[in-house]
Amino acid sequence: SQKIEQNSEALNIQEGKTATLTCNYTNYSPAYLQWYRQDPGRGPVFLLLIRENEKEKRKERLKVTFDTTLKQSLFHITASQPADSATYLCALEEYGNKLVFGAGTILRVKS
Amino acid sequence: DAGITQSPRHKVTETGTPVTLRCHQTENHRYMYWYRQDPGHGLRLIHYSYGVKDTDKGEVSDGYSVSRSKTEDFLLTLESATSSQTSVYFCATTPSTSGASDTQYFGPGTRLTVL
Repeated sequence: SQKIEQNSEALNIQEGKTATLTCNYTNYSPAYLQWYRQDPGRGPVFLLLIRENEKEKRKERLKVTFDTTLKQSLFHITASQPADSATYLCALEEYGNKLVFGAGTILRVKS
Repeated sequence: DAGITQSPRHKVTETGTPVTLRCHQTENHRYMYWYRQDPGHGLRLIHYSYGVKDTDKGEVSDGYSVSRSKTEDFLLTLESATSSQTSVYFCATTPSTSGASDTQYFGPGTRLTVL
């Protein structure tokens, strides 16, 4: 099954800077990859989906890249704000219509 | 937001007792999932359902059973709770008819403590 690695250390950045989070996977390249946001005490919320034939996807201040050669996805938040502080989860599709999630990376944006 | 509710939201129980968690959805989604979330492990799939009475095991299914008698309800049962099952449990659904290539919508979670 897929193994996903996300940076276990929290990412601390200053407001207004670009936050970059990394998701690495180890096995086969999935047909698509998703990013979710999770706030403390709440369920994850979907942010973006990128397919294997898409190099980049954007939504407002969010940008996701997908490099199947490196087996890596990068998630960028530009002009970050304190309200962007949360845990960000990467998820890959697995056979049988399932998702495999990474453990997530905590982002803290300081004003 | 997809109309997904979970009950109870918090539960404390003792080792060896049976526990049932309920997930209810109002979106008529075909696929439903149960995950547990623990520090350092992220979300791990316990069981999922692809229709009424159609269920399958996930990564960490030992000690858990599920049932789905109606489209809107997906029950997770711990037959005899153990301390290792202390966790936060999330239910999720997806509108995709195949289950793949679609986003999942999550409920608010149930925090279960087994003493």
